[in-house]
Amino acid sequence: SQKIEQNSEALNIQEGKTATLTCNYTNYSPAYLQWYRQDPGRGPVFLLLIRENEKEKRKERLKVTFDTTLKQSLFHITASQPADSATYLCALGGVDGNNRLAFGKGNQVVVIP
Amino acid sequence: NAGVTQTPKFRVLKTGQSMTLLCAQDMNHEYMYWYRQDPGMGLRLIHYSVGEGTTAKGEVPDGYNVSRLKKQNFLLGLESAAPSQTSVYFCASSPTGEGTEAFFGQGTRLTVV
Repeated sequence: SQKIEQNSEALNIQEGKTATLTCNYTNYSPAYLQWYRQDPGRGPVFLLLIRENEKEKRKERLKVTFDTTLKQSLFHITASQPADSATYLCALGGVDGNNRLAFGKGNQVVVIP
Repeated sequence: NAGVTQTPKFRVLKTGQSMTLLCAQDMNHEYMYWYRQDPGMGLRLIHYSVGEGTTAKGEVPDGYNVSRLKKQNFLLGLESAAPSQTSVYFCASSPTGEGTEAFFGQGTRLTVV
Protein backbone atom coordinates (compact mmCIF):
# COMPACT_ATOMS: atom_id res chain seq x y z
CA SER A 1 0.00 0.00 0.00
CA GLN A 2 1.03 3.60 -0.44
CA LYS A 3 2.48 5.33 2.58
CA ILE A 4 3.94 8.70 3.43
CA GLU A 5 5.62 8.68 6.80
CA GLN A 6 6.55 11.61 8.96
CA ASN A 7 7.63 11.33 12.56
CA SER A 8 4.57 11.50 14.80
CA GLU A 9 6.60 12.70 17.77
CA ALA A 10 7.17 16.41 18.11
CA LEU A 11 10.69 17.65 17.56
CA ASN A 12 11.80 19.87 20.45
CA ILE A 13 14.84 21.89 19.54
CA GLN A 14 16.85 24.67 21.10
CA GLU A 15 16.74 28.07 19.45
CA GLY A 16 19.63 28.54 17.06
CA LYS A 17 20.04 24.84 16.28
CA THR A 18 19.13 23.10 13.03
CA ALA A 19 15.85 21.19 12.94
CA THR A 20 15.75 18.25 10.56
CA LEU A 21 12.53 16.53 9.55
CA THR A 22 12.17 13.35 7.52
CA CYS A 23 9.56 12.33 4.97
CA ASN A 24 9.69 8.73 3.77
CA TYR A 25 7.38 7.25 1.19
CA THR A 26 6.60 3.85 -0.28
CA ASN A 27 4.81 2.79 -3.46
CA TYR A 28 4.83 6.31 -4.88
CA SER A 29 6.78 7.68 -7.80
CA PRO A 30 6.39 11.42 -7.29
CA ALA A 31 7.59 13.84 -9.90
CA TYR A 32 7.97 16.46 -7.17
CA LEU A 33 7.65 16.95 -3.46
CA GLN A 34 6.42 19.98 -1.57
CA TRP A 35 6.74 21.12 2.02
CA TYR A 36 4.07 23.13 3.81
CA ARG A 37 3.87 24.82 7.19
CA GLN A 38 0.67 24.68 9.21
CA ASP A 39 -0.06 26.71 12.32
CA PRO A 40 -2.87 25.71 14.73
CA GLY A 41 -6.28 26.62 13.36
CA ARG A 42 -4.88 27.74 10.01
CA GLY A 43 -4.54 26.30 6.55
CA PRO A 44 -1.19 24.98 5.26
CA VAL A 45 1.18 27.47 3.69
CA PHE A 46 3.55 26.48 0.89
CA LEU A 47 7.28 26.62 1.64
CA LEU A 48 9.32 24.77 -0.96
CA LEU A 49 9.05 22.51 -3.98
CA ILE A 50 11.72 20.10 -5.18
CA ARG A 51 11.52 18.05 -8.34
CA GLU A 52 12.69 14.49 -8.87
CA ASN A 53 15.72 15.59 -10.86
CA GLU A 54 16.85 18.00 -8.13
CA LYS A 55 18.93 16.93 -5.17
CA GLU A 56 18.64 20.02 -3.02
CA LYS A 57 16.69 23.27 -2.81
CA ARG A 58 17.23 26.24 -0.52
CA LYS A 59 15.14 29.19 0.51
CA GLU A 60 16.51 31.50 3.17
CA ARG A 61 16.99 29.32 6.28
CA LEU A 62 15.20 26.34 4.74
CA LYS A 63 16.79 23.46 2.86
CA VAL A 64 15.15 20.45 1.29
CA THR A 65 16.75 17.35 -0.14
CA PHE A 66 15.10 14.69 -2.27
CA ASP A 67 16.52 11.19 -2.72
CA THR A 68 14.38 9.15 -5.10
CA THR A 69 16.54 6.06 -4.50
CA LEU A 70 15.99 6.14 -0.76
CA LYS A 71 12.43 7.46 -1.31
CA GLN A 72 13.10 10.16 1.23
CA SER A 73 13.08 13.90 1.65
CA LEU A 74 14.82 15.79 4.42
CA PHE A 75 13.68 19.26 5.50
CA HIS A 76 16.10 21.44 7.44
CA ILE A 77 15.48 24.68 9.31
CA THR A 78 18.79 26.27 10.16
CA ALA A 79 19.27 28.77 13.00
CA SER A 80 15.80 27.89 14.24
CA GLN A 81 13.68 30.51 15.97
CA PRO A 82 10.62 30.25 18.25
CA ALA A 83 8.56 31.62 15.34
CA ASP A 84 9.43 28.45 13.42
CA SER A 85 7.32 26.42 15.84
CA ALA A 86 4.60 24.81 13.74
CA THR A 87 3.63 21.57 12.05
CA TYR A 88 5.39 20.81 8.78
CA LEU A 89 3.74 18.70 6.10
CA CYS A 90 5.34 16.95 3.19
CA ALA A 91 3.26 16.38 0.07
CA LEU A 92 3.98 14.22 -2.95
CA GLY A 93 2.72 15.17 -6.37
CA GLY A 94 3.05 14.56 -10.06
CA VAL A 95 1.22 11.26 -10.34
CA ASP A 96 -0.90 12.94 -12.99
CA GLY A 97 -1.09 16.45 -14.34
CA ASN A 98 -3.67 17.63 -11.88
CA ASN A 99 -1.37 18.59 -9.00
CA ARG A 100 -3.15 16.14 -6.75
CA LEU A 101 -1.06 16.12 -3.63
CA ALA A 102 -0.73 13.21 -1.23
CA PHE A 103 0.10 14.57 2.22
CA GLY A 104 1.95 13.12 5.12
CA LYS A 105 0.47 13.51 8.59
CA GLY A 106 2.88 16.25 9.51
CA ASN A 107 5.63 16.66 12.07
CA GLN A 108 5.41 19.24 14.83
CA VAL A 109 8.45 21.37 15.62
CA VAL A 110 8.77 23.23 18.92
CA VAL A 111 11.65 25.68 19.15
CA ILE A 112 12.63 26.37 22.74
CA PRO A 113 13.98 29.85 23.49
CA ASN B 1 -5.53 40.13 -1.64
CA ALA B 2 -8.12 37.76 -0.19
CA GLY B 3 -6.65 34.55 -1.71
CA VAL B 4 -8.84 31.57 -0.84
CA THR B 5 -11.87 32.22 1.34
CA GLN B 6 -14.02 29.55 2.93
CA THR B 7 -17.51 30.00 4.29
CA PRO B 8 -18.53 29.25 7.01
CA LYS B 9 -15.63 28.93 9.47
CA PHE B 10 -17.57 26.81 11.95
CA ARG B 11 -20.74 24.77 11.73
CA VAL B 12 -22.58 22.22 13.84
CA LEU B 13 -24.98 19.92 12.03
CA LYS B 14 -27.36 17.26 13.18
CA THR B 15 -27.08 13.81 11.64
CA GLY B 16 -29.04 13.72 8.40
CA GLN B 17 -28.94 17.46 7.75
CA SER B 18 -27.46 18.86 4.59
CA MET B 19 -25.17 21.80 4.02
CA THR B 20 -22.92 23.42 1.47
CA LEU B 21 -19.42 24.72 2.07
CA LEU B 22 -18.34 27.54 -0.18
CA CYS B 23 -14.83 28.17 -1.41
CA ALA B 24 -13.97 31.30 -3.34
CA GLN B 25 -10.60 32.27 -4.85
CA ASP B 26 -9.67 35.56 -6.44
CA MET B 27 -6.41 34.49 -8.09
CA ASN B 28 -7.91 33.21 -11.36
CA HIS B 29 -6.64 29.71 -10.61
CA GLU B 30 -7.73 26.84 -12.79
CA TYR B 31 -7.44 24.06 -10.24
CA MET B 32 -9.37 23.78 -7.00
CA TYR B 33 -9.45 21.09 -4.33
CA TRP B 34 -11.35 20.04 -1.24
CA TYR B 35 -9.47 18.25 1.54
CA ARG B 36 -10.46 17.03 4.95
CA GLN B 37 -8.07 16.88 7.87
CA ASP B 38 -8.60 14.54 10.77
CA PRO B 39 -6.34 13.92 13.78
CA GLY B 40 -3.76 11.29 12.95
CA MET B 41 -4.89 11.07 9.33
CA GLY B 42 -3.37 14.04 7.60
CA LEU B 43 -5.00 15.85 4.70
CA ARG B 44 -7.08 13.67 2.39
CA LEU B 45 -8.42 14.76 -0.97
CA ILE B 46 -12.20 14.60 -1.32
CA HIS B 47 -12.87 16.08 -4.77
CA TYR B 48 -11.06 18.38 -7.13
CA SER B 49 -11.65 20.42 -10.26
CA VAL B 50 -9.30 21.18 -13.14
CA GLY B 51 -11.40 24.00 -14.53
CA GLU B 52 -14.81 25.61 -14.64
CA GLY B 53 -17.52 23.00 -15.15
CA THR B 54 -15.30 20.03 -14.26
CA THR B 55 -15.11 17.90 -11.14
CA ALA B 56 -13.38 14.65 -10.25
CA LYS B 57 -13.22 12.29 -7.29
CA GLY B 58 -10.32 12.23 -4.94
CA GLU B 59 -9.32 9.76 -2.28
CA VAL B 60 -12.41 9.96 -0.03
CA PRO B 61 -15.38 11.18 -2.13
CA ASP B 62 -18.21 9.15 -0.59
CA GLY B 63 -20.93 11.23 1.05
CA TYR B 64 -19.87 14.45 -0.71
CA ASN B 65 -20.76 16.21 -3.93
CA VAL B 66 -19.15 19.21 -5.56
CA SER B 67 -19.86 21.78 -8.23
CA ARG B 68 -17.72 24.30 -10.10
CA LEU B 69 -20.18 26.43 -12.00
CA LYS B 70 -17.93 29.48 -11.88
CA LYS B 71 -14.17 29.46 -12.12
CA GLN B 72 -13.70 31.29 -8.84
CA ASN B 73 -16.05 29.10 -6.75
CA PHE B 74 -15.92 25.49 -5.68
CA LEU B 75 -18.80 24.18 -3.57
CA LEU B 76 -18.73 21.11 -1.37
CA GLY B 77 -22.07 19.58 -0.44
CA LEU B 78 -23.04 17.12 2.24
CA GLU B 79 -26.46 15.70 1.39
CA SER B 80 -27.02 13.76 4.62
CA ALA B 81 -24.41 14.51 7.23
CA ALA B 82 -22.98 11.69 9.35
CA PRO B 83 -20.83 11.88 12.50
CA SER B 84 -17.95 10.40 10.45
CA GLN B 85 -17.92 13.64 8.49
CA THR B 86 -16.91 15.62 11.56
CA SER B 87 -13.65 17.13 10.42
CA VAL B 88 -11.82 20.27 9.39
CA TYR B 89 -12.32 20.96 5.70
CA PHE B 90 -9.80 22.86 3.64
CA CYS B 91 -10.21 24.26 0.19
CA ALA B 92 -7.17 24.94 -1.96
CA SER B 93 -6.42 26.28 -5.40
CA SER B 94 -3.44 26.21 -7.74
CA PRO B 95 -2.69 28.03 -10.99
CA THR B 96 -2.06 24.93 -13.07
CA GLY B 97 -1.77 21.24 -12.50
CA GLU B 98 1.94 20.62 -12.60
CA GLY B 99 4.01 21.24 -9.55
CA THR B 100 2.60 24.62 -8.66
CA GLU B 101 2.03 25.57 -5.07
CA ALA B 102 -1.40 25.14 -3.57
CA PHE B 103 -3.00 28.03 -1.74
CA PHE B 104 -5.22 26.99 1.14
CA GLY B 105 -8.17 28.61 2.82
CA GLN B 106 -8.42 29.02 6.56
CA GLY B 107 -10.58 25.92 6.99
CA THR B 108 -14.11 25.07 8.07
CA ARG B 109 -14.55 23.17 11.31
CA LEU B 110 -17.62 20.96 10.95
CA THR B 111 -19.14 18.96 13.78
CA VAL B 112 -21.94 16.48 13.10
CA VAL B 113 -23.85 15.42 16.21
